[in-house]
Amino acid sequence: NAGVTQTPKFQVLKTGQSMTLQCAQDMNHEYMSWYRQDPGMGLRLIHYSVGAGITDQGEVPNGYNVSRSTTEDFPLRLLSAAPSQTSVYFCASSYAGQYGYTFGSGTRLTVV
Amino acid sequence: DAKTTQPPSMDCAEGRAANLPCNHSTISGNEYVYWYRQIHSQGPQYIIHGLKNNETNEMASLIITEDRKSSTLILPHATLRDTAVYYCIVRGWSGSEKLVFGKGTKLTVNP
Repeated sequence: NAGVTQTPKFQVLKTGQSMTLQCAQDMNHEYMSWYRQDPGMGLRLIHYSVGAGITDQGEVPNGYNVSRSTTEDFPLRLLSAAPSQTSVYFCASSYAGQYGYTFGSGTRLTVV
Repeated sequence: DAKTTQPPSMDCAEGRAANLPCNHSTISGNEYVYWYRQIHSQGPQYIIHGLKNNETNEMASLIITEDRKSSTLILPHATLRDTAVYYCIVRGWSGSEKLVFGKGTKLTVNP
């Protein structure tokens, strides 16, 4: 099925652990982005990419790393998880230009 | 810095048209107006976008004023499933324009 696939759907981490949230799309989209959404709040942009090999910071990049080695994949890495990173994470992709973004179903992360 | 202003909440009766306003008085010439919605705990869903002409698709209509400083998203026959947070976003399309969300409008469709 075409779309944006995020794995895992749920994850519990201990403080200080590292992990990678996976995001893959099969629509040949150039643009990809990561957002986090805390309870009762809007989405905040973490990192984004306009093509393979190109990434840039969004509004809240601290504590997160990204890379874009292929068009299809845009993983988000937490190097040392903190309770403040407990959130729902959404990945999105789009064709370049004026087109709308397609969002994944989210990863619900809890850091204890 | 917020580029758009939306009312925090609105109510609408089922079967009636829902008209969601958005102010974007600082919009520039190459920026589009986008609308997304987020139904409880799901990923946001793209609805529609426009530059200066009114647009319509199977989900909604978008009316942009002639001076482009405001717009209205119209759901012609709202259903209970349209209850969601609706986001109006202004975004350019050239280069590395990112998609930044504001607080949106919580639309509640009542039976």
